[in-house]
Amino acid sequence: NAGVTQTPKFQVLKTGQSMTLQCAQDMNHEYMSWYRQDPGMGLRLIHYSVGAGITDQGEVPNGYNVSRSTTEDFPLRLLSAAPSQTSVYFCASSPAGTGNYEQYFGPGTRLTVT
Amino acid sequence: KQEVTQIPAALSVPEGENLVLNCSFTDSAIYNLQWFRQDPGKGLTSLLLIQSSQREQTSGRLNASLDKSSGRSTLYIAASQPGDSATYLCAVYSWEYGNKLVFGAGTILRVKS
Repeated sequence: NAGVTQTPKFQVLKTGQSMTLQCAQDMNHEYMSWYRQDPGMGLRLIHYSVGAGITDQGEVPNGYNVSRSTTEDFPLRLLSAAPSQTSVYFCASSPAGTGNYEQYFGPGTRLTVT
Repeated sequence: KQEVTQIPAALSVPEGENLVLNCSFTDSAIYNLQWFRQDPGKGLTSLLLIQSSQREQTSGRLNASLDKSSGRSTLYIAASQPGDSATYLCAVYSWEYGNKLVFGAGTILRVKS
């Protein structure tokens, strides 16, 4: 199993550009989520999905969009990048979102918005 | 609001020492607590998961305990090695706070050879 994979590893965007961060898992996990990690702020939940076709907002959803058309993939879209979105983004997955299972994290995408 | 605090923020120890990392949380209504390791520039690696009904979990040189009533967890690392140098994060899963892990800020551990 590759586990949770994320692409790209690094990205530089100009203010106003849009892009999609890719996340995929091969463990047949129902629950997937996106976090951002900022110095002094810890990890904060952006969006999550409890299964294909079902998504919901987390703690800091503004400026981001998600969809879940398959169990394996959970892309995160930045609609119009802003410098405040400079961060490290992590995707995570778990067999279910019931709290009984470990969450597995991807290697992260480092995004800089200039 | 669930808040997770980790003490100390940073720790430097000589190789071979046993050490304890502390994690506290404000709301004891949790489903589980998970300890992670993060190496610089890398993702999070799960170390131990303790369910709310459990008191401790062990994996190799690592032992994590959970006292839900007092809102505390400790991660004990035995016979520390330079390869243990990393940031250690604890996170709690509480249904009342949505489908998310609430993370502490982490403890940066350096083990000197």
